[in-house]
Amino acid sequence: KQEVTQIPAALSVPEGENLVLNCSFTDSAIYNLQWFRQDPGKGLTSLLLIQSSQREQTSGRLNASLDKSSGRSTLYIAASQPGDSATYLCAVSFIQGAQKLVFGQGTRLTINP
Amino acid sequence: NAGVTQTPKFQVLKTGQSMTLQCAQDMNHEYMSWYRQDPGMGLRLIHYSVGAGITDQGEVPNGYNVSRSTTEDFPLRLLSAAPSQTSVYFCASSYTRERSPLHFGNGTRLTVT
Repeated sequence: KQEVTQIPAALSVPEGENLVLNCSFTDSAIYNLQWFRQDPGKGLTSLLLIQSSQREQTSGRLNASLDKSSGRSTLYIAASQPGDSATYLCAVSFIQGAQKLVFGQGTRLTINP
Repeated sequence: NAGVTQTPKFQVLKTGQSMTLQCAQDMNHEYMSWYRQDPGMGLRLIHYSVGAGITDQGEVPNGYNVSRSTTEDFPLRLLSAAPSQTSVYFCASSYTRERSPLHFGNGTRLTVT
């Protein structure tokens, strides 16, 4: 069964720190990997989409990397701000069973002022 | 451009009642899907559609029906509500399944008593 795992489940850091969120997946045959942000009581907002042929994507202070061979992705947040506090989820589109994304459980991030 | 719009935002049903959750998108996306989000279970796919007139089951389809008569709309019907269907429901859409970021609505919080 294809699975996506995010560790840690929760993370609390002081404002200004650079931080890394981790995502691992069980099958390297993927179409893409997406990182989402979810604020309490809200839907998911797509942050970055990395196609299987890419190694990384950047958007502002966010950088996501993809290593298919090891089944890992990281989301790097530079100079964290209190407004970055949210739950971050990664989702993988596997080639087998390609009509669905498999989501991780998410990392709940708190940035302390 | 409203994106993905879900109605209602909140709903309380009694066991056995039926209802339809509405989802509409104005981005001309071919792919639309319904997820439920439960604590400890993450996001799970209920049904999806790759275009008007085409629907298929996801991971947890039992107790739900869908139809896709237009590109814009993808309603989710609960046939006979059960307490196990208490959840937050999200509709999501994208241009294509494999290559495009997924856009989510803000969700419908459903309670079945």
